[in-house]
Amino acid sequence: KQEVTQIPAALSVPEGENLVLNCSFTDSAIYNLQWFRQDPGKGLTSLLLIQSSQREQTSGRLNASLDKSSGRSTLYIAASQPGDSATYLCATAGSARQLTFGSGTQLTVLP
Amino acid sequence: DADVTQTPRNRITKTGKRIMLECSQTKGHDRMYWYRQDPGLGLQLIYYSFDVKDINKGEISDGYSVSRQAQAKFSLSLESAIPNQTALYFCATSDILGGQFFGPGTRLTVL
Repeated sequence: KQEVTQIPAALSVPEGENLVLNCSFTDSAIYNLQWFRQDPGKGLTSLLLIQSSQREQTSGRLNASLDKSSGRSTLYIAASQPGDSATYLCATAGSARQLTFGSGTQLTVLP
Repeated sequence: DADVTQTPRNRITKTGKRIMLECSQTKGHDRMYWYRQDPGLGLQLIYYSFDVKDINKGEISDGYSVSRQAQAKFSLSLESAIPNQTALYFCATSDILGGQFFGPGTRLTVL
């Protein structure tokens, strides 16, 4: 059974800092890995999707990497802003495209 | 208009009542999913469906049932609600590349 772990559970940084969120998973036989953003009481917004054959994806200030052999992914956020404050969820997709989620990292960017 | 809609958005009910949560999508995707999120945790898969004739249990299906009425509609039922089913419920669809698109969620409280 796939297990996804995110560390740290919470992170607080001053505005402008670059930061890295970590995600690890136990089963490397994944179809893809996705990073989502969740604002309080809201749904999930897809940020980046990395197919199993890819090593990284970039979108604006966000860069996500995938290392299947070590069971790790990182989400890099450059020049953080208060609007980046949210919970960030990592999820791996199995053969049926069903997702297994980590518990998330709650990010607070202080002005 | 939202691509994935859920009704109701909020529901308070009593122990033992039967509850149905509905999900509709306009994305034309065959694959649909129901997830549950408990406070401070990631999402867990309840059921998923590849098409109207193909429905599969997820990791926490006990106490739940589903119906795929059409490609665009996937309903989740709680046959006899209990307090520990109080949670945020999300419906999602998946495209051929495995990217998932989430509805806004239904907040269910069982008293």
